[in-house]
Amino acid sequence: GAGVSQTPSNKVTEKGKYVELRCDPISGHTALYWYRQSLGQGPEFLIYFQGTGAADDSGLPNDRFFAVRPEGSVSTLKIQRTERGDSAVYLCASSLTYNSPLHFGNGTRLTVT
Amino acid sequence: AQSVAQPEDQVNVAEGNPLTVKCTYSVSGNPYLFWYVQYPNRGLQFLLKYITGDNLVKGSYGFEAEFNKSQTSFHLKKPSALVSDSALYFCAVRWYSSASKIIFGSGTRLSIRP
Repeated sequence: GAGVSQTPSNKVTEKGKYVELRCDPISGHTALYWYRQSLGQGPEFLIYFQGTGAADDSGLPNDRFFAVRPEGSVSTLKIQRTERGDSAVYLCASSLTYNSPLHFGNGTRLTVT
Repeated sequence: AQSVAQPEDQVNVAEGNPLTVKCTYSVSGNPYLFWYVQYPNRGLQFLLKYITGDNLVKGSYGFEAEFNKSQTSFHLKKPSALVSDSALYFCAVRWYSSASKIIFGSGTRLSIRP
């Protein structure tokens, strides 16, 4: 079956621009997570959705970052006024329930120039 | 504060030898514990988990891990390493709560030499 899909796979943007990253989770998965990963580092938690609501957004670095999941399926991570330090691979994962294993997408590599 | 630590950046093992990748966590309750593996240019894949019950859990590709509550550890093990096990391994933890995030360790690069 289809896994977690993330688009685009690569995004290059200029400093100060706005970007949106999309995640299509596995159908029926209620939990959805966003992480970002820098080279050689572990995934850094950003936000966790249970259904449509953000159960935990404590990992969002600042108010330039925002994520939505309006219908409890697809999620969009939005970054305003991008900075070079935002460059990383942004990972999305979904799970059937809150204690099920995570299924990861291949990530979106964001480069801010 | 909740945290998970992987004290070794790299572990080198000869093929056929046993391997251990270490993970410890700090806790203010009971944890769910996971191991994930990341092969080059591929996404993170689930290996195994501990929720409750037997302290020794078995997972994919012949890996197993032992939950030790007194030492707050969840070390990953395999009796006989393969060259194909070479990858980046991440320990992850969440606490007993449906609203709890999952946090990952910094990763350990496992290198198996022929």
